Amino acid sequence: EPEVTQTPSHQVTQMGQEVILRCVPISNHLYFYWYRQILGQKVEFLVSFYNNEISEKSEIFDDQFSVERPDGSNFTLKIRSTKLEDSAMYFCASSVTNQGAEAFFGQGTRLTVV
Amino acid sequence: QQQVKQSPQSLIVQKGGISIINCAYENTAFDYFPWYQQFPGKGPALLIAIRPDVSEKKEGRFTISFNKSAKQFSLHIMDSQPGDSATYFCAAESYNTDKLIFGTGTRLQVFP
Repeated sequence: EPEVTQTPSHQVTQMGQEVILRCVPISNHLYFYWYRQILGQKVEFLVSFYNNEISEKSEIFDDQFSVERPDGSNFTLKIRSTKLEDSAMYFCASSVTNQGAEAFFGQGTRLTVV
Repeated sequence: QQQVKQSPQSLIVQKGGISIINCAYENTAFDYFPWYQQFPGKGPALLIAIRPDVSEKKEGRFTISFNKSAKQFSLHIMDSQPGDSATYFCAAESYNTDKLIFGTGTRLQVFP
């Protein structure tokens, strides 16, 4: 069964450092998403991406965040200068359609900012 | 209001029992209501979903009941099994966006 793959599974970084979280979406999917889940809290939408452009972003997705699809297969989330409150599980998701509910989620990257 | 309120926060059910998780929303623009199952260390996985033009949808042991006038929907797990032990999230999506608004989650434990 095809799946969304995320790397690394766990990343520890120092406050102020840049991090890049990587995702390989399912190959025929066209719509891509990042969500995050702070420990014990709900899953929150960050950004959606289609046709090499951001479709929608939340208020969490400020200038410190960026996304790109550098090589047509990987989909990355960059956090420029990490803060302690960025510590969370980050989930990538992809979908054939623009129905977000039909997206498949990856297993997540746990980001710990120290 | 973009929130989806979910209850209870945790639920303990004996094997064979019925698990019921409830969600409520305010935004009438929401037109798709999925439920997700999440096991520890995994991402959310779509379990079952409903649109507001039907009042109930059943898939195997999982049923969504939808009350449009009350803006409430619920997940029923019949004949609950220990393998159903997971965190369940309701969510909502509106027609003019592709982002999901998640509820706060319910941790279900099914004991043999």
